[in-house]
Amino acid sequence: GDSVTQTEGLVTLTKGLPVMLNCTYQTTYSPFLFWYVQHLNEAPKLLLKSSTDNKRTEHQGFYATLHKSSSSFHLQKSSVQLSDSALYFCASVTSSGQKLVFGQGTILKVYL
Amino acid sequence: DMKVTQMPRYLIKRMGENVLLECGQDMSHETMYWYRQDPGLGLQLIYISYDVDSNSEGDIPKGYRVSRKKREHFSLILDSAKTNQTSVYFCASSLGASGNTLYFGEGSRLIVV
Repeated sequence: GDSVTQTEGLVTLTKGLPVMLNCTYQTTYSPFLFWYVQHLNEAPKLLLKSSTDNKRTEHQGFYATLHKSSSSFHLQKSSVQLSDSALYFCASVTSSGQKLVFGQGTILKVYL
Repeated sequence: DMKVTQMPRYLIKRMGENVLLECGQDMSHETMYWYRQDPGLGLQLIYISYDVDSNSEGDIPKGYRVSRKKREHFSLILDSAKTNQTSVYFCASSLGASGNTLYFGEGSRLIVV
């Protein structure tokens, strides 16, 4: 069935370093991938989305490229800030085209 | 104002009691969702509603039911709450199908004792 896998449960980094949060997916539908971010005690909100193969999508300093050949949509940022500390979810539209399936989430903690 | 509002935000119930979680949105979105969030499990879909009285089970519907009598309002009901239903519940809405952005409420934290 459809699934999304985020391999890291927790990523800790010093401010200013680059980060990559992994996301791979499995679907028979034409892939449509999302990254949602949830800050502490807040609602999840959309960070990025893409359905175009090999095209980089950017928002608020974060970027991701959908690679259909490797079924991946990794989230990257070149220099993390303290305010980037949050829970990040990768999600994919399911094969029915009706729902989203979410990964387990990756907590990003940024330190001084 | 593009907002999803959940009530109540925090709730403590005894096992066996009924629970009503309410959700409203001001965007006239057709599609609304209820998710639960547990550590290490991400967001799991309980129910999806495509419009008034057009509801469909999600991935974990057991122990829950929903009601949507108005487009802007979507309720989640737990008849006889169980301790394993302790969780944070999120309501969301979207314009049309899931390829569109989901707008989430701030969550309702339920503790069943």
